[in-house]
Amino acid sequence: QKEVEQDPGPLSVPEGAIVSLNCTYSNSAFQYFMWYRQYSRKGPELLMYTYSSGNKEDGRFTAQVDKSSKYISLFIRDSQPSDSATYLCAMRIQGAQKLVFGQGTRLTINP
Amino acid sequence: DAGVIQSPRHEVTEMGQEVTLRCKPISGHDYLFWYRQTMMRGLELLIYFNNNVPIDDSGMPEDRFSAKMPNASFSTLKIQPSEPRDSAVYFCASSSSLENIQYFGAGTRLSVL
Repeated sequence: QKEVEQDPGPLSVPEGAIVSLNCTYSNSAFQYFMWYRQYSRKGPELLMYTYSSGNKEDGRFTAQVDKSSKYISLFIRDSQPSDSATYLCAMRIQGAQKLVFGQGTRLTINP
Repeated sequence: DAGVIQSPRHEVTEMGQEVTLRCKPISGHDYLFWYRQTMMRGLELLIYFNNNVPIDDSGMPEDRFSAKMPNASFSTLKIQPSEPRDSAVYFCASSSSLENIQYFGAGTRLSVL
C-alpha cells in the first residue's frame, strides 16, 4: 500500500463546475500538506500549502485537511479551461524536507 | 531569479550509453532534490542534498545511478549504463530551510532506445 493514494483520473468537467480532488494517506505523522499543479511538459508548481488540519482559501481554490480521516481535498470553484492540468498532492512530516507525492490527477476543463 | 534550471530539456540515447543530467538550483537554496516521473509510478524522490551533502539516496534505483553536488550552484545525475526502463522525466527541485517549499525545474525528458 502506498503512503499517499490519489486517483489518477482522468477527470473531465465542464467550464464553471466545482472540482473536487482528493488524497488519502496512511502516515499519521504527516503535518504539512501541499497541492502542486503541473501543466503538460512543465515542472510541478506549488498551488496551496497548509499546516495540520483545517481549511485554507486562495481565490477560487480551497484546500481542506481532515487529519482524523487522513484525507485531504482541493476544491476549485468556477473552473476555467486554464485549470486543465495534473494536480499532485504532497505531504511531509514535521522537521523533514522529504515530500511524499500522490500519483497526480489529470484534470480537463471543457469550454 | 530564473528559477531552477535543468539541462538538457530532452535527451535521446541508446541503451548502454552514459547520460548526464544537470541542474542549477535557485541561488540561496540549501536543499536540492532529484525526482523521476513516470506514468506508472508517478513522481519519485531519488536523492536529496543539504548544503551539497547527500542526505538520503534511498530512492536511487540501483548502482547505475549516481548524483553529485560539487558546489551550491550545480548538481548532476548520471546514469551509466542507461537502459530503456530509465526512460522518464527527471526533475530537479530546490528549497530553502527557511521556507520549506520545493521549486521545480522544467525537467529533462529522457528516452533510452
